[in-house]
Amino acid sequence: DAMVIQNPRYQVTQFGKPVTLSCSQTLNHNVMYWYQQKSSQAPKLLFHYYDKDFNNEADTPDNFQSRRPNTSFCFLDIRSPGLGDAAMYLCATSRDGEFGVGPGTRLLVL
Amino acid sequence: AQSVTQLDSHVSVSEGTPVLLRCNYSSSYSPSLFWYVQHPNKGLQLLLKYTSAATLVKGINGFEAEFKKSETSFHLTKPSAHMSDAAEYFCVVSDRTQAGTALIFGKGTTLSVSS
Repeated sequence: DAMVIQNPRYQVTQFGKPVTLSCSQTLNHNVMYWYQQKSSQAPKLLFHYYDKDFNNEADTPDNFQSRRPNTSFCFLDIRSPGLGDAAMYLCATSRDGEFGVGPGTRLLVL
Repeated sequence: AQSVTQLDSHVSVSEGTPVLLRCNYSSSYSPSLFWYVQHPNKGLQLLLKYTSAATLVKGINGFEAEFKKSETSFHLTKPSAHMSDAAEYFCVVSDRTQAGTALIFGKGTTLSVSS
């Protein structure tokens, strides 16, 4: 089945230690998004790629970066995670109004 | 920009009674609308979506939603609640951004089901 895959599902990192979350998709969608969902809050868009074009939301901290080496993969890099970055990170995709949403990676910062 | 308002942050029902989760949206064009469910410590699961076809949309697990353009509403209903329905529900609207579209999430409604 075509889907959005996120690995790992749970990630533990240390305060200040860089961490990378990954997302892959088999939907052949041209747009990929990263959302941050903190406890008891709605998912918040961090940035997205429209094909190879990177689009950052205005209030996304510089600590968050993203890479999209090809159509199928997209990475979220957190350069120096703080305790406040502990959250569920959701990857989503879209093409022509059709969307896919991944299961999320829960990040714990110790 | 589009926005979505979930009118209730918490809804409590008894098992076997109807469920109503309310959602209003603002849109300058005909949007796509979705309902997602999230169980504790789980990812999001698509319940149903509206994409300008039939205004009454049937989803999984007995849920359905009706798109009412005149009221800018997309309320989620289920005739009879089950204990397993207890979860967080998000109403979501697609938004046209400068570089395509994105999903805009409501703040969520927590559904509690008592026996």
